[in-house]
Amino acid sequence: GESVGLHLPTLSVQEGDNSIINCAYSNSASDYFIWYKQESGKGPQFIIDIRSNMDKRQGQRVTVLLNKTVKHLSLQIAATQPGDSAVYFCAEIASGGTSYGKLTFGQGTILTVHP
Amino acid sequence: NAGVTQTPKFQVLKTGQSMTLQCAQDMNHNSMYWYRQDPGMGLRLIYYSASEGTTDKGEVPNGYNVSRLNKREFSLRLESAAPSQTSVYFCASSPKEGTEAFFGQGTRLTVV
Repeated sequence: GESVGLHLPTLSVQEGDNSIINCAYSNSASDYFIWYKQESGKGPQFIIDIRSNMDKRQGQRVTVLLNKTVKHLSLQIAATQPGDSAVYFCAEIASGGTSYGKLTFGQGTILTVHP
Repeated sequence: NAGVTQTPKFQVLKTGQSMTLQCAQDMNHNSMYWYRQDPGMGLRLIYYSASEGTTDKGEVPNGYNVSRLNKREFSLRLESAAPSQTSVYFCASSPKEGTEAFFGQGTRLTVV
């Protein structure tokens, strides 16, 4: 079946650096994308979302970029802090097909921020 | 505002035992979901309920059953637990299908 995948399973950065986490998706019917952050022992927590009619969306210290041509999604975290250390998942929701309306998750990227 | 609450947080079962994982949300959401999370596999959808009174299979439904008891509660039942069901289970809810989902803290289940 179609799936969402990540290019890098782990990412280590120094505190204060900018982080970029990438995600490739394959379902062309997906029109809504979400980034989640999951800290150890907790459930996924919403960070930011983007719809397919946009190519960029900014939040507080985070930016999501969507390139529909190559089916690629990225999460940029500015001035990364130790508290940003977590697993980051991209997820997609399809507007049609068998996956309609339901979140499909990628495998996740482990972000480690060193002080 | 508690959000999504799951019970229990931890459980150990013997192979063949049954149990029910409970989930309740207080956000008046229409849709509810059960996911399992295994190392390196991300979260996979087991069952979902688009609205009260409806349930449907997700990606990995075998060995599970669900009940949407009312708008607030959505339970997941393992009738005969198997070691392959050792996992972390997450319940989630969303205002409706196709919108952002909010997750509970998870239930860590070990089947021995």
